[in-house]
Amino acid sequence: EAAVTQSPRNKVAVTGGKVTLSCNQTNNHNNMYWYRQDTGHGLRLIHYSYGAGSTEKGDIPDGYKASRPSQENFSLILELATPSQTSVYFCASGDLGAEVFFGKGTRLTVV
Amino acid sequence: QQKVQQSPESLTVSEGAMASLNCTFSDGTSDNFRWYRQHSGKGLEVLVSIFSDGEKEEGRFTAHLNRASLHVSLHIREPQPSDSAVYLCAMRDRGSALGRLHFGAGTQLIVIP
Repeated sequence: EAAVTQSPRNKVAVTGGKVTLSCNQTNNHNNMYWYRQDTGHGLRLIHYSYGAGSTEKGDIPDGYKASRPSQENFSLILELATPSQTSVYFCASGDLGAEVFFGKGTRLTVV
Repeated sequence: QQKVQQSPESLTVSEGAMASLNCTFSDGTSDNFRWYRQHSGKGLEVLVSIFSDGEKEEGRFTAHLNRASLHVSLHIREPQPSDSAVYLCAMRDRGSALGRLHFGAGTQLIVIP
């Protein structure tokens, strides 16, 4: 069964600290995505990747970096976390012509 | 400008009454639309994917697509309290290998017993 696993599921970070959100997929998809979800905005695309070694900026990349070391893994990195980055983050995988599968989300609170 | 606009923001219906949600998109660049359901604090559950004009039914959920009017709707037959959730409309880009999704802001559905 297709699966996208995110870790951690919940995280509290301090302002200025570094945060890494991890995502693993077993779907063998080339494309992976990181979204954040905020009330009134739906899901907005932060970074995406076409495959191992590739990362591209989405619509709201400022303050975030991404890393795709392998087909299965895609990380979102907040080098200097700020309270405005408090949100719920979703990872997804899905090639064109295939369904898109989402992880269960990571709730990040920056204090 | 957001590519996808959803309405209403919130909808309250009685159990068993039809619930109708709407989504308009800004251009005709997509050939692929989905409706997702998200229970509070949970992930996204795809309900219906629709690729051509007309109707697509998945159980109690029916999507209607009219690309000429840039509109897709979701109708929930006999809604139950367990259907109370946020419903998200999404359109998928056509013509790129990425196939990214653009989401609306969501409709909060409340079903009263």
